[in-house]
Amino acid sequence: DTGVSQDPRHKITKRGQNVTFRCDPISEHNRLYWYRQTLGQGPEFLTYFQNEAQLEKSRLLSDRFSAERPKGSFSTLEIQRTEQGDSAMYLCASSGGLGGGPYNEQFFGPGTRLTVL
Amino acid sequence: GEDVEQSLFLSVREGDSSVINCTYTDSSSTYLYWYKQEPGAGLQLLTYIFSNMDMKQDQRLTVLLNKKDKHLSLRIADTQTGDSAIYFCAEYAGNNRKLIWGLGTSLAVNP
Repeated sequence: DTGVSQDPRHKITKRGQNVTFRCDPISEHNRLYWYRQTLGQGPEFLTYFQNEAQLEKSRLLSDRFSAERPKGSFSTLEIQRTEQGDSAMYLCASSGGLGGGPYNEQFFGPGTRLTVL
Repeated sequence: GEDVEQSLFLSVREGDSSVINCTYTDSSSTYLYWYKQEPGAGLQLLTYIFSNMDMKQDQRLTVLLNKKDKHLSLRIADTQTGDSAIYFCAEYAGNNRKLIWGLGTSLAVNP
């Protein structure tokens, strides 16, 4: 396993279109996180899954955003009716085990950069 | 509330030490992390410290934690041009299992 992968790496779309991103975590990790990062900012938490259960959603995640992790492995993040303010880097991270290891390290993917025109 | 603050920029000369500072507000934080982000690359965990420790050293990196003041610092000894990156401080509050991030400190290393 080479780490967390995300697809696509870049996405350009027109305002109002729907987009879907995919994240493949490290295979033995049971926790998966989505973050959003805009220029000059730190990552902002969006949502997190333990196995297939979505345990927490940020208030940042409006009803246009939906995330799934149907089989507890890969996850998708869909944004409906995109707006220019959705332009950002969308980061996925995974961590392992029920305790997440001694330091709960989250391993990050390279991100998907979304540009909404 | 949860908040992590960092200075935004730091410029040092190659070979000097760099010190990046961070303050946090959640006293229940269990782990505190330093991540590095290079242009076009993902976030990479550099080091972490558990909240009951004062100091941790890992090769050129030294982490100091002042839990009373909720202050965390990262010292990079003998800073190299390859250390140029954005450094993020993050706290892990175990009860809600997410990382709270600072805005990042952009480190520029001048030859």
